[in-house]
Formats: sequence, structure tokens, C-alpha cells
Amino acid sequence: GDSVTQMEGPVTLSEEAFLTINCTYTATGYPSLFWYVQYPGEGLQLLLKATKADDKGSNKGFEATYRKETTSFHLEKGSVQVSDSAVYFCALVGQGAQKLVFGQGTRLTINP
Amino acid sequence: DGGITQSPKYLFRKEGQNVTLSCEQNLNHDAMYWYRQDPGQGLRLIYYSQIVNDFQKGDIAEGYSVSREKKESFPLTVTSAQKNPTAFYLCASRFQGHNSPLHFGNGTRLTVT
Repeated sequence: GDSVTQMEGPVTLSEEAFLTINCTYTATGYPSLFWYVQYPGEGLQLLLKATKADDKGSNKGFEATYRKETTSFHLEKGSVQVSDSAVYFCALVGQGAQKLVFGQGTRLTINP
Repeated sequence: DGGITQSPKYLFRKEGQNVTLSCEQNLNHDAMYWYRQDPGQGLRLIYYSQIVNDFQKGDIAEGYSVSREKKESFPLTVTSAQKNPTAFYLCASRFQGHNSPLHFGNGTRLTVT
């Protein structure tokens, strides 16, 4: 079945550092791919999405490119802030599927 | 503003009691979902519903029940049969369709003692 693998956390960076959180997937056909962010005590918020190969999703300085050849959707940000501290989830929904498949989440902590 | 409302935010119950968590959405979404999240863990799907009066079990449905009498509402009952009910419960909804993302409520934290 479809699956998502995220890099294990926790990840700790200093403010203004470059961020990469790796996400790879297994799915048949052409799934849609998503990144969600969860702040403490809250629900998940959609951060960005990409629906076809080579699409780049972007939002709030975060970017991720849908790479069909490497089945990856890595999240990047050029300069992180303390306010980016949260848990990040990569997810996919397969063609014709009713359910999203989530990775295990990566906890990110940014130190000032 | 459209969104998903979960209530209450915190809920406390004694062991052996059933408890119902509320989820309402005004996004006109077709499908609704319930997830469970344990500390430091990912999401696990409990139940989902694609249309009114129909729902399917997710990965961890045992000890839970749901109903979908209205498009806007998808309440979750945590029964006394659920062995470890203390958790953070998240409701979500989406349009049918391949590209449609999930939209989440802010969750209900249930503590059973």
C-alpha cells in the first residue's frame, strides 16, 4: 500500500539556519503530496501542496518540489525562525484514494 | 469564517463512562475523518465518512463509534470498551477529489482516569 517516510527527529537548529526535512513516498500512479504543520496543542494546518510531478509548493518561505524520479517531497526553508518550531507532517493521497497517508512527523526546534 | 469546530477542547471522564466528542464543519465538505494522536506520535485513523449515513472503519476503530446524520456533523463516541482512551483527538474534513487536502479542527484532549 501507499506509505510515507519522513526523516526522524527531533531536529534542532539555530535561528537563520537552512532547513531540510526529508520525505519519501511509495505510491502507485501520481499521488498528491502535502506538508502539514502542527503547533503545540493545536490541529494540523496545511502548509503547502503539490499535485503533479515537478510542481513546487510554497508558503511562508517554505518550499517543496514533487520529484517523481526520486519519489521525494523534501521540505526546505532558507532561514528558519524561532516561530517555525513545530511538528511537520508529510502526507499523500493516492489517485482514487479516500484517505490521506501521513508520515510519522518531525519535531523541529529553533533556538534563538 | 469557514472551518471545523471541535468541542470541548479539554474533556475529563471516569473510566467506564462513554463520552462523545463533537465535530462540526461549515466548509460544505463531503468527507469527514477522526484521528487519534498520542504524545510524540503520528496520526492514526479511527473512522471516516464519505457521505451522510455512511462511514468506514479506519485502522483503530475498536472501542469507538460514529454517526453521520448530517453533512456538517460527525460526532465520535469513545466507549468504555476502548482500553486506552486518553489521547488527543483530531477531526478533519475535505472535498472528494484527488487534489483536495484535509482541513483539521483544533482537537479535543480527552483524559480518562
